[in-house]
Amino acid sequence: KQEVTQIPAALSVPEGENLVLNCSFTDSAIYNLQWFRQDPGKGLTSLLLIQSSQREQTSGRLNASLDKSSGRSTLYIAASQPGDSATYLCAVSRHTGTASKLTFGTGTRLQVTL
Amino acid sequence: GAVVSQHPSWVICKSGTSVKIECRSLDFQATTMFWYRQFPKQSLMLMATSNEGSKATYEQGVEKDKFLINHASLTLSTLTVTSAHPEDSSFYICSAIEKRRYNEQFFGPGTRLTVL
Repeated sequence: KQEVTQIPAALSVPEGENLVLNCSFTDSAIYNLQWFRQDPGKGLTSLLLIQSSQREQTSGRLNASLDKSSGRSTLYIAASQPGDSATYLCAVSRHTGTASKLTFGTGTRLQVTL
Repeated sequence: GAVVSQHPSWVICKSGTSVKIECRSLDFQATTMFWYRQFPKQSLMLMATSNEGSKATYEQGVEKDKFLINHASLTLSTLTVTSAHPEDSSFYICSAIEKRRYNEQFFGPGTRLTVL
């Protein structure tokens, strides 16, 4: 059974700092990995999707890497802003016929302070 | 593109009543939708896979007679929580797979259910 773990569980940084969020998974036979952002009481916003054949994806100040063989992914946020405060979830998918099921990590609650 | 909506965004009901939650893909057709449940400060747990025109597939430990799923069209899936109890209070989120991008799920904004 796939298990996804995120470290740290919570993180507080001052504005402007660069930071790294970690995600690890136990079964390397994944189809892809996604990073999401969730604001309190809200749904999920997809940030980055990395296919299993890729090693990284970038979008603006965000960069996600994937090392499938070691079961790890990192989300790098450059020049953090208070608006980045949210819970960040990683999720890995397994292919099941015509659809891909996601297994979510435990999340990292990020607080960026002024 | 690839927008998913949910209705209602929140609902409060009495114990023993049934509640229906709708999930719609607004600008694409979705042959497959997923239903998740999220308890406070916990991650999302997959409840079931909803396939258009066929029966839903439930994850282990999820009661199919309690959580009824209907996927009657390519843009609508419904989750009905039957005879709701306080322990069913949770945040329910759906997602949909766009046929041309079958490896990516698009999520709805969630529905907060509170059972008194």
